[in-house]
Amino acid sequence: GAGVSQTPSNKVTEKGKYVELRCDPISGHTALYWYRQSLGQGPEFLIYFQGTGAADDSGLPNDRFFAVRPEGSVSTLKIQRTERGDSAVYLCASSLTGSYGYTFGSGTRLTVV
Amino acid sequence: AQKITQTQPGMFVQEKEAVTLDCTYDTSDQSYGLFWYKQPSSGEMIFLIYQGSYDEQNATEGRYSLNFQKARKSANLVISASQLGDSAMYFCAMREAGSARQLTFGSGTQLTVLP
Repeated sequence: GAGVSQTPSNKVTEKGKYVELRCDPISGHTALYWYRQSLGQGPEFLIYFQGTGAADDSGLPNDRFFAVRPEGSVSTLKIQRTERGDSAVYLCASSLTGSYGYTFGSGTRLTVV
Repeated sequence: AQKITQTQPGMFVQEKEAVTLDCTYDTSDQSYGLFWYKQPSSGEMIFLIYQGSYDEQNATEGRYSLNFQKARKSANLVISASQLGDSAMYFCAMREAGSARQLTFGSGTQLTVLP
C-alpha cells in the first residue's frame, strides 16, 4: 500500500482480555517500529524489527507485551491480560534500512475498561 | 534526565506570522539526528524536517526551517507564514547513533493558529 496501515483504528477491550494490533508497513520497508503514545505525551519506543527479527525490544514494558513479524512485512503487537494502564494509542512506523525517513501509521487507539 | 525537552505545552500564533517552537536535547553521542513531526487531530505523525548532527547548514523544507545550535543543544522549529492548517501538536525527536535507530520524542507543543 501507499502508507503504513494499522488495524483496528479503535479497540475497546475489558480488563484482563488479550488483544492483537496489526501493522502493515510500506512495501519494501525492512525496518518496523512500534511506539505507544499516552494521552498528552510523546510516543515512547516499544520494539524495533529489522526484517523478521526483533533487533531491539528494550521498550516493551513487561512480559505481557509481545510482537512478531514472521515474514518480514506485517507485524502484530500482542498484549496479554490487558490493564487499564495499557490504554493508549499504539503507533507503527516503517522505514528503509539506512534511511532517516520514518513513515507512521494513524495508530490504534486501545481503551481498556 | 530528559533526552528531549519541549518547554512550551501550548503556543498561539496569528495567521501569516512566523512562530518558533523550542526543543533542547541531551546526548553524549557525536552522531545523531534531530526530527520534527506534526500530529494533527487525526493522529498520524507527519514528518516535517531533519537535521543531522554533522550538517553545517540549518535544514529547510518549504515554510519549515530548523534553527540548529549545536553548542547549546537546541533544535528549534521555525514555521514561517503560519496557516490555519498548521494547528496541530508538534513533536521534536532524536535518534542517537547507538539507539538501534529508534526515535526518542519530546512531550510536544500544541500550536494554535488564530485567524
